[in-house]
Amino acid sequence: SQQGEEDPQALSIQEGENATMNCSYKTSINNLQWYRQNSGRGLVHLILIRSNEREKHSGRLRVTLDTSKKSSSLLITASRAADTASYFCATDGGATNKLIFGTGTLLAVQP
Amino acid sequence: KAGVTQTPRYLIKTRGQQVTLSCSPISGHRSVSWYQQTPGQGLQFLFEYFSETQRNKGNFPGRFSGRQFSNSRSEMNVSTLELGDSALYLCASSLRMGEGYTFGSGTRLTVV
Repeated sequence: SQQGEEDPQALSIQEGENATMNCSYKTSINNLQWYRQNSGRGLVHLILIRSNEREKHSGRLRVTLDTSKKSSSLLITASRAADTASYFCATDGGATNKLIFGTGTLLAVQP
Repeated sequence: KAGVTQTPRYLIKTRGQQVTLSCSPISGHRSVSWYQQTPGQGLQFLFEYFSETQRNKGNFPGRFSGRQFSNSRSEMNVSTLELGDSALYLCASSLRMGEGYTFGSGTRLTVV
């Protein structure tokens, strides 16, 4: 079974609005990563946050990590139609370094 | 620099046949992972190789196998294909296991 569960499964917003996606995981981790996938193509790495970090920013992306709750959130600010994609969190499984993906959130940004 | 290259992009096979998919990682990346993506099961981890050694394996039957060559290029093989093997197969490479993977565009396998 997949380690990460994401919420919501689908999200539809208007351009300019913020989008927040949440991820929960089950085991200890060294890091948590977020990826984007456009329409059945390959995944693109967005951001990595380590287990000793609580928040990280990259452009319009903000990621938080709460290891006590085994959860993370991805915030995309001022969304654009081009942000329409599926977003996945992935954890490295701690000692195994095996990258396991969550179920994904399908984001639709309406122009 | 060139990205991760997967060949072929599309493949149609008949049940019972076998198939080999190829992946060329980014130059300098020694870790190569394989994933199967289906609408029902999502992204499922198949296996990961680092320096020609399988370091991690997912929960797939023995029909699924892989290998990595000395130049880090990797292949995965699926024998005795079943209809349920129809999926997008993704390869990813990284400098270090567990961090910052670059994905290829995938091979879409259809089993009929």
